[in-house]
Amino acid sequence: QKEVEQDPGPLSVPEGAIVSLNCTYSNSAFQYFMWYRQYSRKGPELLMYTYSSGNKEDGRFTAQVDKSSKYISLFIRDSQPSDSATYLCAMSGRKNAGGTSYGKLTFGQGTILTVHP
Amino acid sequence: DTEVTQTPKHLVMGMTNKKSLKCEQHMGHRAMYWYKQKAKKPPELMFVYSYEKLSINESVPSRFSPECPNSSLLNLHLHALQPEDSALYLCASSSQIGDNEQFFGPGTRLTVL
Repeated sequence: QKEVEQDPGPLSVPEGAIVSLNCTYSNSAFQYFMWYRQYSRKGPELLMYTYSSGNKEDGRFTAQVDKSSKYISLFIRDSQPSDSATYLCAMSGRKNAGGTSYGKLTFGQGTILTVHP
Repeated sequence: DTEVTQTPKHLVMGMTNKKSLKCEQHMGHRAMYWYKQKAKKPPELMFVYSYEKLSINESVPSRFSPECPNSSLLNLHLHALQPEDSALYLCASSSQIGDNEQFFGPGTRLTVL
């Protein structure tokens, strides 16, 4: 079983739809959760970064973390064709006793999203 | 400047060639990373530098040799690569090792013939 599971899609939605992207994880040590957006042939771009359970909103994007269920989500409201990209969840563990963490991100497989006009 | 830059954008090399990939950031970040990404796969961590010292090597073959000449620059020297090494090579940086907000460059698309 992979540490992080993400449905690769592809996911195709009409413009204006609400998009829900999800990841589940098995490692209880994960404490930090990120969503990256990657356009074709480009590097990943950090969209959202969360630590605690709950919701975090930034414009049309809402990140949700449920640590008890080991489940994270990214919601995109009023989706636009420019949102068409691969969305990667990523997570990492807590800091060690020395105050620094390993610095390794564990990524999901990525979900390919297409928003059509 | 909140950007990580990488050169070249594209690179084609033969299996006997020696080439280098370059990465630069001017955000004052002290941790820099090399990742490898194959098509339709997530990035895989290769190396991590912290304060110009190699902190993590994810069991990468010796035909990949990283170098961090100063706090803003990161190189990846390539020698005797195999066709299966063809991939997108991504550089990233963060303020410190363990800071999970990593900023990625656009990548170098490498093809090994």
